[in-house]
Parts: sequence; structure tokens; C-alpha cells
Amino acid sequence: DTGVSQDPRHKITKRGQNVTFRCDPISEHNRLYWYRQTLGQGPEFLTYFQNEAQLEKSRLLSDRFSAERPKGSFSTLEIQRTEQGDSAMYLCASSLRESHYNEQFFGPGTRLTVL
Amino acid sequence: DQQVKQNSPSLSVQEGRISILNCDYTNSMFDYFLWYKKYPAEGPTFLISISSIKDKNEDGRFTVFLNKSAKHLSLHIVPSQPGDSAVYFCAASEWNDKIIFGKGTRLHILP
Repeated sequence: DTGVSQDPRHKITKRGQNVTFRCDPISEHNRLYWYRQTLGQGPEFLTYFQNEAQLEKSRLLSDRFSAERPKGSFSTLEIQRTEQGDSAMYLCASSLRESHYNEQFFGPGTRLTVL
Repeated sequence: DQQVKQNSPSLSVQEGRISILNCDYTNSMFDYFLWYKKYPAEGPTFLISISSIKDKNEDGRFTVFLNKSAKHLSLHIVPSQPGDSAVYFCAASEWNDKIIFGKGTRLHILP
């Protein structure tokens, strides 16, 4: 049983560059979430998909951010023209819509550092 | 506007004793409450959850208590073990919606 995986685990980039992260959810899970966590805070919701449909986007998700889940399996999160304020841990989680308690299972995260 | 609040940034407990982590919430529409545990450089790990129609859920050493009238929940760990040292996040959601997390409480288990 493989859990949620994320790639890369770490990314260092210069301000103004574009970055893309990938998330592979647990295979039978139909929901996929993206969260962002900064130092001293809990994870903050960014967006989520049910199968391939993007159902909600947070106001935290500026127009420089875009997420896709083209075939309802893996997802990508792209940040264009990165800014230093984008430095954070980006977490992906997956769940079954039919789960009893809305348990979401998280990947290890991608730590982004923007110089 | 923080909907889930963990007012204790850290807590130290002697090994073998009970650890009690507290959490308050403001949104009466929350249906589910969850606790996650996080080690450094790892993603949060689901620990235990409770539905809003219950007031207690137990899983081994972990018990979550929910007081809806006070909008308060707590996680009890008995007995505390060294491996329990981690950051614990209280979280809540409306039915099958996004999860709202608190800021976390760092638990230190002392030898």
C-alpha cells in the first residue's frame, strides 16, 4: 500500500522563476487537496479536486497559482513568477468522498525556498 | 478569523503521565473534528477523529472528547510515550469539505 507521494521533496528557486510540483494520491481516492504550511502555522487550504474537477479555490490561491488533475489521478501545482512570500511547505492530501469522518491522508510535502 | 484555535503552543509531560491537548472552535457548522500528528520534515499523519454527534471517541492510548456547547475538544494520550513527542494539530471540517487546521501544539515527552 503506497501512501500519498509528492515530488520533489525540496525545491530552491530564484524569485521570478516558475515551479511545478506533483502529487500522486492514494490510488482509490477520488478527492485530492493542496495545502500550504508556513512556519508556526497549521496547513492552510489552497484548492481541491474531486476526480478531475476542481471544486474550490481559496482566496490564498492568487492568479500566479494553477492546479490541475487532468485524468483524475495525479495532480500538479504550478507557481508562476515566484515571490519570496511563496516560500512554504506545500502539502498534498487525498481522501475518499465517501469516508465517514473526512479523514485526509497527507504526503510528505514539497518544501519551496524562493531566494 | 481563526476558526480553530490551539492556545497552547507547547506542552511538556512526563513519560507515563497523561497528555491533554486542547482546542477551541468557533464554527458551529463543523461536522467532523480530527487530530493530526506531525514530525519534522514529514506531512501530518491522521491520528483520530470524532463526529459532531458524538462526545467521545477512543482508539488505544488516544481519546478525543468533544463538548459542543463549549465548542471545545481535547485529545488525551495515556500513557504518554517518548515517540509521542511531535506537533499535534487540531482540525475541523464541514461534511466532506476542506479541513481547517489550528496552529498546532508542540508536545514534549520528558524522560
